Amino acid sequence: QVLLVESGGGMVQPGRSLKLSCAASGFSFSDYGMHWVRQAPGKGLEWVAVIWYDGSNRYYADSVKGRFTISRDSSKNTLYLQMNSLRAEDTALYYCVRDVSGVINAFDIWGQGTMVSVSS
Amino acid sequence: DIQMTQSPSSLSASVGDRVTITCQASQDIGNYLNWYQQEPGKAPKILIYDASNLETGVPSRFSGSGSGTDFTLTISSLQPEDFATYYCQQYDNLITFGQGTRLEIK
Repeated sequence: QVLLVESGGGMVQPGRSLKLSCAASGFSFSDYGMHWVRQAPGKGLEWVAVIWYDGSNRYYADSVKGRFTISRDSSKNTLYLQMNSLRAEDTALYYCVRDVSGVINAFDIWGQGTMVSVSS
Repeated sequence: DIQMTQSPSSLSASVGDRVTITCQASQDIGNYLNWYQQEPGKAPKILIYDASNLETGVPSRFSGSGSGTDFTLTISSLQPEDFATYYCQQYDNLITFGQGTRLEIK
């Protein structure tokens, strides 16, 4: 069974850091591009970041560039999102998402999400 | 950056109705356009990829069309399980989602 399970969310103060993890199973992790997509409460979907299948390229939304870092460890079948200098507007449910390709295309598998709340 | 504009933002319809949702890109994206459905409290699910290709397992009442800057998602005969929020997504230049269309029961 293809599965993505996020963890690491929680409540954090503005300016602090948090690291999300996503454990992948049931497929060859190193063959697929992986993304983070977030959804603020009651709002729409916002793409956050992508990392190519081999880790050779990473791209970010302007809203998180310079503050967030996406990475992957294929030996552990795990995707990460290091979030620094967090702001109130980063409050959202963060989804780990598999791309159908090794780079950027469509999203076929989604995790259940992990909630991040940034508040003083 | 490519902006994606969906319309309408919300829509009320009845079971059996034919419904069309549109998505407009701020520049030519070819057919690099996907559609997703999100039910309340659930993760999104892909319906249509590359503008007009039906994802495996998705009912044939869903269809997509368009290319360049203008795209449509059509549901030919609404079923109770179709009342959800729909998003378009471009991948010509990174990723952008439309703002979503909430489909409600009339």
